[in-house]
Amino acid sequence: GAGVSQSPSNKVTEKGKDVELRCDPISGHTALYWYRQSLGQGLEFLIYFQGNSAPDKSGLPSDRFSAERTGGSVSTLTIQRTQQEDSAVYLCASRALVLGELFFGEGSRLTVL
Amino acid sequence: DQQVKQNSPSLSVQEGRISILNCDYTNSMFDYFLWYKKYPAEGPTFLISISSIKDKNEDGRFTVFLNKSAKHLSLHIVPSQPGDSAVYFCAASASGSARQLTFGSGTQLTVLP
Repeated sequence: GAGVSQSPSNKVTEKGKDVELRCDPISGHTALYWYRQSLGQGLEFLIYFQGNSAPDKSGLPSDRFSAERTGGSVSTLTIQRTQQEDSAVYLCASRALVLGELFFGEGSRLTVL
Repeated sequence: DQQVKQNSPSLSVQEGRISILNCDYTNSMFDYFLWYKKYPAEGPTFLISISSIKDKNEDGRFTVFLNKSAKHLSLHIVPSQPGDSAVYFCAASASGSARQLTFGSGTQLTVLP
């Protein structure tokens, strides 16, 4: 498709389980971001990939969170040993240029019971 | 420490009137600002942006004003339409490290018919 695609759109899991969230950015976009939005909060930066550079992981809230981007395209965000406070909408975005707008996917809603 | 603040969580406006959404920032390194609109169950979509070399940018019904000395920007929508009802996020970035956007917590705009 033409836009940023994320899967799954909804994920319900039990506390302590691992989850993987996937993002397919817009073709040709070199920059990829993960944000999350907790209930009633703004968008919280998690991690940023730019081309072949080392990712900016400064927003990851704990070492249970990790992300990778394979082949400069698809990205996977992994949350290990999920906790209830991880419940949020996880948004992926991509950008073509160093400056400019981000194009967001529809998000993956994670609920940790 | 919130570097981008949207102090009004909600705003209601009559159809046809002007909507004014406000945003304040604290980081003097920010020099590029954007507004995003978000409908429920959708990702944020880009609306309008402004560079710090300008103090106004207009696109149809949407105008963004930037007051650098006050570290304040605002989004004006005129005339407001019911379809404008959404959450509006202000975002900022610093070109020196143009890696991520820092978002505000959002303002829910409701345009009453």
